[in-house]
Amino acid sequence: GAGVSQSPSNKVTEKGKDVELRCDPISGHTALYWYRQSLGQGLEFLIYFQGNSAPDKSGLPSDRFSAERTGGSVSTLTIQRTQQEDSAVYLCASSLVGHEAYEQYFGPGTRLTVT
Amino acid sequence: GEDVEQSLFLSVREGDSSVINCTYTDSSSTYLYWYKQEPGAGLQLLTYIFSNMDMKQDQRLTVLLNKKDKHLSLRIADTQTGDSAIYFCAESISETGGSYIPTFGRGTSLIVHP
Repeated sequence: GAGVSQSPSNKVTEKGKDVELRCDPISGHTALYWYRQSLGQGLEFLIYFQGNSAPDKSGLPSDRFSAERTGGSVSTLTIQRTQQEDSAVYLCASSLVGHEAYEQYFGPGTRLTVT
Repeated sequence: GEDVEQSLFLSVREGDSSVINCTYTDSSSTYLYWYKQEPGAGLQLLTYIFSNMDMKQDQRLTVLLNKKDKHLSLRIADTQTGDSAIYFCAESISETGGSYIPTFGRGTSLIVHP
């Protein structure tokens, strides 16, 4: 596909369970970002991957959150022992790095509901 | 620290102009953006402005930047019902190594009445 895709589009899970959210960036984009969008809040930066560099994890809210990016393409965000406050829309974005790095292309998001 | 603020709601009539305002606190901001989010979709970059510019026009969109007051606005001329969405203001600083991680505002919900 031409755009950023995310799966699943919706996820309902019970408190205490682990979840995995997937992001497929645009082919050739070396930068990948994860954000969290809570109701009535702006986008909260979570983690940033750029090529083979160590990821910038400065936005992860707790050690229950982790992410990996395999082969410089697909990324998975994992939330362990989910809590109700983790309920939000998780957005992934990708971009080229360099002069055009500011143009981030967003996926449709995964809506996570923790019951 | 970085902070981006914008009003939460704006209601206009179809055909009128809409002006969405944003203020930011980081004077070293390099890029300022406006993103649009339609229901159930991700964010879409509408337009951006470099901090050394004070105005940018793109069809029905006009971006004004007052760097002294750290104020950014987005004007939509001849607003249509299809413009109803949430508009996010964002800013970023050019970091060594090409890490552009924007800081986003909470978004302004634009409601266009027929």
